[in-house]
Amino acid sequence: DAKTTQPPSMDCAEGRAANLPCNHSTISGNEYVYWYRQIHSQGPQYIIHGLKNNETNEMASLIITEDRKSSTLILPHATLRDTAVYYCIAGRGGNEKLTFGTGTRLTIIP
Amino acid sequence: DAMVIQNPRYQVTQFGKPVTLSCSQTLNHNVMYWYQQKSSQAPKLLFHYYDKDFNNEADTPDNFQSRRPNTSFCFLDIRSPGLGDAAMYLCATSGGLAGLGEQYFGPGTRLTVT
Repeated sequence: DAKTTQPPSMDCAEGRAANLPCNHSTISGNEYVYWYRQIHSQGPQYIIHGLKNNETNEMASLIITEDRKSSTLILPHATLRDTAVYYCIAGRGGNEKLTFGTGTRLTIIP
Repeated sequence: DAMVIQNPRYQVTQFGKPVTLSCSQTLNHNVMYWYQQKSSQAPKLLFHYYDKDFNNEADTPDNFQSRRPNTSFCFLDIRSPGLGDAAMYLCATSGGLAGLGEQYFGPGTRLTVT
């Protein structure tokens, strides 16, 4: 699986959009980009994934660059409950295993 | 609601005393995973079952074993827990209509070794 690089921490004001970057410059053509988050003392939660196209669901939007070497997870209106560690993972999908990196600790500031 | 359940949420065991953690799922997913997460670290995959096929990670210690008697249940056995095995143990599933890599995690069991 391709290695991903994320900033260790970020702050965002409540109500603003949180933009979390991820670099995956060695991603292969058949690898998806997955985003999970882990709120303190809970299990990780799936957020969204994509291959080439931008994706949006009820939780977030995922913007993938045309060369697929980086992506951005966007939480459009951050709330205090979005405070968590966010993991960006490159993986082949199906039932393949996921390798978690160190993630970004996002803190939403009131 | 369909979900992944882990029992107990907190487990205390003594050094060297075998312990079993359990996981059940109502999602009817064919893949079940066990992860270990130590304090301030990312989850680390120990092994997974694809149906009844067991897949061990190369660096998972022999001290860790797993059983999957049926689709719904999976167990993690630690034969002789050491102090270094204190961690959160996470169970996850994937498959069914998803099948594109989304994993559904349980709340975890926090293991303390005294």
